[in-house]
Amino acid sequence: DIQMTQSPSSLSASVGDRVTITCRASQSISSYLHWYQQTLGKAPKLLIYDATSLQSGVPSRFSGNESGTDFTLTISSLQLGDFATYYCQQSYKTPPTFGGGTKVELK
Amino acid sequence: EVQLVQSGGGLVQPGGSLRLSCAASGFSVSSNHMNWVRQTPDKGLEWVAIIYSGGSTVYADPAKGRFIISRDTSKNTLFLQINSLRAEDTAVYYCASGNGLYRFDSWGQGTLLTVSS
Repeated sequence: DIQMTQSPSSLSASVGDRVTITCRASQSISSYLHWYQQTLGKAPKLLIYDATSLQSGVPSRFSGNESGTDFTLTISSLQLGDFATYYCQQSYKTPPTFGGGTKVELK
Repeated sequence: EVQLVQSGGGLVQPGGSLRLSCAASGFSVSSNHMNWVRQTPDKGLEWVAIIYSGGSTVYADPAKGRFIISRDTSKNTLFLQINSLRAEDTAVYYCASGNGLYRFDSWGQGTLLTVSS
């Protein structure tokens, strides 16, 4: 199975901060990488698909980038509703696999 | 509007069986690839199974042999049957679908399955 490694596992930030989360795949996954946001007690929500494409309805402060097997999710200016846990997921090969998550907390 | 509404789950004894349901609206379960994903504090998010739009199915290794994914097109509903339940099946189970294979645009609200005596 393809392993997805996220870092950091948690971070503390303030409203207005720029936040970057990294996800590394254990092998090449082309651009088949998606990012999700999950708040407590809710289902994950798709933010970014195919590494860089913004899902409809998602604010433009969210962006994705890729470099080889390294992928990043950036929140340009953190808002109150952005304090959540973020997951990456590869869809390149069966089984699809998720990263361990990055919890973004209020400093 | 695409919506997935789940039912089922609860507390079940080891060795028992359970069927989870996921009623879709806004699209047809037979025209999309439909998935089940589960989440535990220990293992995080874990894909369980898929039923392709064509009807074929694929399972994650831990789900092979005891899990059955199916759909009822007349009810526009997805199911997950789990037999011989074990403590390690305890999780929040989500149904999920989307545009493209293994891209999860839409999720059900989740249902908690607890396997315990």
